[in-house]
Amino acid sequence: AQSVAQPEDQVNVAEGNPLTVKCTYSVSGNPYLFWYVQYPNRGLQFLLKYITGDNLVKGSYGFEAEFNKSQTSFHLKKPSALVSDSALYFCAVRDYGQNFVFGPGTRLSVLP
Amino acid sequence: EAQVTQNPRYLITVTGKKLTVTCSQNMNHEYMSWYRQDPGLGLRQIYYSMNVEVTDKGDVPEGYKVSRKEKRNFPLILESPSPNQTSLYFCASSSTGRSYEQYFGPGTRLTVT
Repeated sequence: AQSVAQPEDQVNVAEGNPLTVKCTYSVSGNPYLFWYVQYPNRGLQFLLKYITGDNLVKGSYGFEAEFNKSQTSFHLKKPSALVSDSALYFCAVRDYGQNFVFGPGTRLSVLP
Repeated sequence: EAQVTQNPRYLITVTGKKLTVTCSQNMNHEYMSWYRQDPGLGLRQIYYSMNVEVTDKGDVPEGYKVSRKEKRNFPLILESPSPNQTSLYFCASSSTGRSYEQYFGPGTRLTVT
């Protein structure tokens, strides 16, 4: 069965600094990988996805993610963090079927 | 405006009293899904549907039912709610194909006493 791990419950970063939110996965076959963001009292919003192709995927709001097959990782990155990036971030995987599995979430706090 | 709507947004009920949470999307999406969100556990998939009259279990289907009689609607039914079903519930939809980029509703906070 597929699984997703987000090893950090909380990530703190100063505004203007680069940020990384980590994600590792386990899935049979080729993974479809996603990052979603959740702001307080809101539903989840899609940020980016990896299906195939370039290992570096660019998404919304200046975020990008790097797919690393050998390390089974899909870390979310942004070169310069904004206070408005503070939110809960979820990594998710879909396997060859239609089932989605989400990680437990990482709370990002960007400090001014 | 493309959106997924859920009703009600908040619900407090008692153990054993049947309830339905509605979900509707206006994007003509084939795929719809229900999740529950609990602290420290992230989102867990309850049921999903690939199209009308096609539903399948996710990771935590026990105690829940769904139906997909129309493409736009995917109600979640709790026939006999229990306190361990107290949670935040999200409905999502997406087109089928390679991407499955999901659009989420605003959530329904359910409390079962």
